[in-house]
Parts: sequence; C-alpha cells; structure tokens
Amino acid sequence: GAGVSQSPRYKVAKRGQDVALRCDPISGHVSLFWYQQALGQGPEFLTYFQNEAQLDKSGLPSDRFFAERPEGSVSTLKIQRTQQEDSAVYLCASSLSGGMQGPYNEQFFGPGTRLTVL
Amino acid sequence: AQTVTQSQPEMSVQEAETVTLSCTYDTSENNYYLFWYKQPPSRQMILVIRQEAYKQQNATENRFSVNFQKAAKSFSLKISDSQLGDTAMYFCAFMKPPILNQGGKLIFGQGTELSVKP
Repeated sequence: GAGVSQSPRYKVAKRGQDVALRCDPISGHVSLFWYQQALGQGPEFLTYFQNEAQLDKSGLPSDRFFAERPEGSVSTLKIQRTQQEDSAVYLCASSLSGGMQGPYNEQFFGPGTRLTVL
Repeated sequence: AQTVTQSQPEMSVQEAETVTLSCTYDTSENNYYLFWYKQPPSRQMILVIRQEAYKQQNATENRFSVNFQKAAKSFSLKISDSQLGDTAMYFCAFMKPPILNQGGKLIFGQGTELSVKP
C-alpha cells in the first residue's frame, strides 16, 4: 500500500477484555515499531521487529502485552485483560532499513488505533 | 538513558510570522540522529526535518530549519512564514544510529502544540 495502515482506528473495550490491534506496514519495509501514546504525551516505544524477529521488547509495560509479526509483514499487538491505564493511541511505524546505518532509517507512521478501556 | 525535553507545551503564532520551538536532550552518545515530527489533529505523524549529529551544518527543509547546538544539547525548530496548515503538535525525537539488530527506536519529547492564527 501507499502508507502504513492500522485497524481498527478506534476500539472500546471493557476492563478485562482482550484486544488485538493490527498494523500493515509499507510493503518491503524490514523494520516495524510499536509505540504507545497516552493523551497529551509523546509516543513511547513498545517493541521492534526486524522481519519476523522481535529483537527488542524492552518497552512492553507488562506481560499482558504481546506482539507478533509471523511472516515479516503484518503485525499484531495483543493486550490481554485490558486495564484502564492501557487507554492510549497505539502507533505503528515501519522503515526500510534493517539495522543498517544510512539514509533509509526514516520511520513512517500509521494513523494509530485509539483504545479506550472502560 | 536518553531523554528529550520540550519545555513549551503550547505556542501560537500569527500567519506569515516566524516561530521557534525548543528542544533539549540528554545523551552520552557522540553519534545520533535528531528529528522533528508533526502530528496534525488527524494523528498521522509526519517527519518534518532530520539532523545527523556528526554534521555541523544545520538542516533546512523549505520553511523549516533547525538550530543544532551539539555542546549545549539543544535542537530547536524554526518555522518561517507560518501557514494555517502548520497547526499541529510538534515532537522532537532522538535516535541512536541503528546497528546490528537494533533498529533505532525513537525517543520523543512531550510535544509542543502550535496554533497558527489567521
């Protein structure tokens, strides 16, 4: 596609429900990132994939958060037993580079999924 | 750990005037990248301008330019001839160069909400 897409754009969940957020990166992009953006804050890093390998998950706030990218393209961020503090916009970004320096490390962002936990 | 600080939560400017957004950061790295991202109300994050720390020359992209002071760890964004379409949240971000299997996560500041008034 022309850009990074995410679905759903909005998700309302009751506390305790599981949710799954999808990210379709730009075709051919090796790197994929997930960020969490609380209201009025800057995005915070959650996790990073290089192709299908999850190489950095240091930003995941708890073991209720799980991400996968099984075929190296589409990625899913799953949150189990959602809590109110999980309410945020979840941003996905992709970049062409795969751990190499150079001019292609620009990250292109999707529109985000706004998650509201009631 | 790296931190990014934007001390101006909100700013406003008259159309056609010039405005400067401030950003400071803290790092022990010598080589890194700095970015300014724009996030309009639609929430899609867009790269405005980027600076490599090893380059002394300040980056410029049309009406957008930066004042990069490496010793002071300061990275301000100047917007000339402000336009209504510049109204958005602006985020300053830091990235260590991607190496090996580390793809280069972005560390964002808190953001500055810029309003351009007619």
